[in-house]
Amino acid sequence: GAGVSQSPRYKVAKRGQDVALRCDPISGHVSLFWYQQALGQGPEFLTYFQNEAQLDKSGLPSDRFFAERPEGSVSTLKIQRTQQEDSAVYLCASSTDIGNQPQHFGDGTRLSIL
Amino acid sequence: AQSVTQLGSHVSVSEGALVLLRCNYSSSVPPYLFWYVQYPNQGLQLLLKYTTGATLVKGINGFEAEFKKSETSFHLTKPSAHMSDAAEYFCAVINPNTGNQFYFGTGTSLTVIP
Repeated sequence: GAGVSQSPRYKVAKRGQDVALRCDPISGHVSLFWYQQALGQGPEFLTYFQNEAQLDKSGLPSDRFFAERPEGSVSTLKIQRTQQEDSAVYLCASSTDIGNQPQHFGDGTRLSIL
Repeated sequence: AQSVTQLGSHVSVSEGALVLLRCNYSSSVPPYLFWYVQYPNQGLQLLLKYTTGATLVKGINGFEAEFKKSETSFHLTKPSAHMSDAAEYFCAVINPNTGNQFYFGTGTSLTVIP
């Protein structure tokens, strides 16, 4: 498709389980970003890739969160030993470059931890 | 460091009335500024952006915003509200020197009353 695609759209997991969220960016987009959006809040930055290189992971809340983009296209955000506070919408965005280029967002994955 | 404050988490206007959504920012360098709209269960869609040049910026769907450096503001306006404008609106700032992450406000939910 033409836009950023995220899967699954909805994920329910029990506390303690591991989850993996997938992002297919727009073809050719160099930069890829993950954001976490808690209910009623604005998105908060998690991590940033330029091609396959993870250049900034300062927003990852704990070492349970791990992101990869091994071939510089599809990215996976993995959360290990999920906790209830991990419940949020996880948004992926891609852009042709950094700076003023508007980031194109996917529809997000809504993660609910029971 | 960058931050965004959106005054008014909920705004209600009558159909046909002026829409004014407020955004104030804090930035250590001249920022790039953005407004995004989010419809339920969807990702963010770019409305407009300011980088350099003309301080009055026009976007999609009849929205516009004016960058006022002296007031550190970037308020979003639309002369006449439509029912389809009901959504969540986010102001965001980015440091053009690093450019690798947006800082979002907490959002303003716009309700349009018929």
